[in-house]
Amino acid sequence: DIQMTQSPSSLSASVGDRVTVTCRASQSIGTHLNWYQQKAGKAPNLLIYAASTLQSGVPSRFSGRRSGTDFTLTINSLQPEDFATYYCQQSYTTPWTFGQGTKVEIK
Amino acid sequence: QVQLQESGPGLVKPSQTLSLTCTVSGGSISGGDYYWNWFRQPPGKGLEWIGYIYSTGDTSYNPSLKSRATISVDTSKNQFSLNLNSVTAADTAVYFCATGLVWTGFDIWGQGTMLTVSS
Repeated sequence: DIQMTQSPSSLSASVGDRVTVTCRASQSIGTHLNWYQQKAGKAPNLLIYAASTLQSGVPSRFSGRRSGTDFTLTINSLQPEDFATYYCQQSYTTPWTFGQGTKVEIK
Repeated sequence: QVQLQESGPGLVKPSQTLSLTCTVSGGSISGGDYYWNWFRQPPGKGLEWIGYIYSTGDTSYNPSLKSRATISVDTSKNQFSLNLNSVTAADTAVYFCATGLVWTGFDIWGQGTMLTVSS
């Protein structure tokens, strides 16, 4: 299985901050990497697919980038509604696997 | 706009088989390039992919489930289902159905249904 190592597991930030979450794949997955946001008690919500393509309706303060097997999700100017848990997921090969999640909390 | 809704028993005894159904509305489960998936999330933990059924009827499962999972489709009811046999407490989780195109992510999810395994 492809292991997705996500960091940090949690972070505290303030409204307006820039936040970066990192995900590293255990082998090459090309750009087959998706990012999801999940709020408590809710289903995941797709933010970014193919490493850097913003899903329709997602605010432009979210962005994704790939460098080899390293992927980053950046949130520019964190908003109150962005406090949630974020997951990366590889769709290169089955079993599709997720990172452990990053919980973004209010400082 | 396609919407998904899970349904299930809520509580299953150890060693029994759990059966969950995902009802698709606003679109057809047949045709297209969509993957119809099941995921789960144990309380306080991360997400795990269980398996999918493709529009052709092909299926794929997570080997971690050791062949306990079966996903099937009922096109007449526009539903797909998950059966998971020999359940244990470790199968206690919120179960989600989700769909989308593999190369553009899974953008449609059900709200999730909690499944508890307990005697």
